[in-house]
Amino acid sequence: GESVGLHLPTLSVQEGDNSIINCAYSNSASDYFIWYKQESGKGPQFIIDIRSNMDKRQGQRVTVLLNKTVKHLSLQIAATQPGDSAVYFCAENGNFGNEKLTFGTGTRLTIIP
Amino acid sequence: GAVVSQHPSWVICKSGTSVKIECRSLDFQATTMFWYRQFPKQSLMLMATSNEGSKATYEQGVEKDKFLINHASLTLSTLTVTSAHPEDSSFYICSARDLGTALYGYTFGSGTRLTVV
Repeated sequence: GESVGLHLPTLSVQEGDNSIINCAYSNSASDYFIWYKQESGKGPQFIIDIRSNMDKRQGQRVTVLLNKTVKHLSLQIAATQPGDSAVYFCAENGNFGNEKLTFGTGTRLTIIP
Repeated sequence: GAVVSQHPSWVICKSGTSVKIECRSLDFQATTMFWYRQFPKQSLMLMATSNEGSKATYEQGVEKDKFLINHASLTLSTLTVTSAHPEDSSFYICSARDLGTALYGYTFGSGTRLTVV
């Protein structure tokens, strides 16, 4: 069935370095993607989103890249800080008018001081 | 920005009892809210879509008679776990869309940790 998945379940990065978290999706009809950060015991927190008509979008210290050809999504976090340690999920909205979000499996990012 | 309040943040109940979880959109109206369940070290799994004024739409495999959803107003949806059992212990999270702002503005509540003993 359709799914959104991640390549790496865990990632450790030295503080100050850049990190890249990847996500693969299988629904070619997906038109909207969101990255969420989830800290322990809390709900997901919006980080950045991107529509399918774009291939790159930048925020504060974060960049999302979308490669529709290979159905791949990535989240880049620049100059990582201890507060960036969390689980990161990509989510996909598959079809216009379908409001459901499908979440990927998640990557745990640990920033090493 | 849009805020979704979820209550309680945690609850412990005895097996066989029912538990109600509330999800409120504080500063916007939400015709649609979503309920997710998350087991430890796993992703969020959509349980149902809550529609204001109509019946909820449940995902495959989710028992509608066990997980009762009510969306009686544009700012409140409730999830009732009936006859709870230890296997229902999980982290329940609600989400709502604020169509007044971004085209796809999904906001999540802080979650409810349910422990059934």
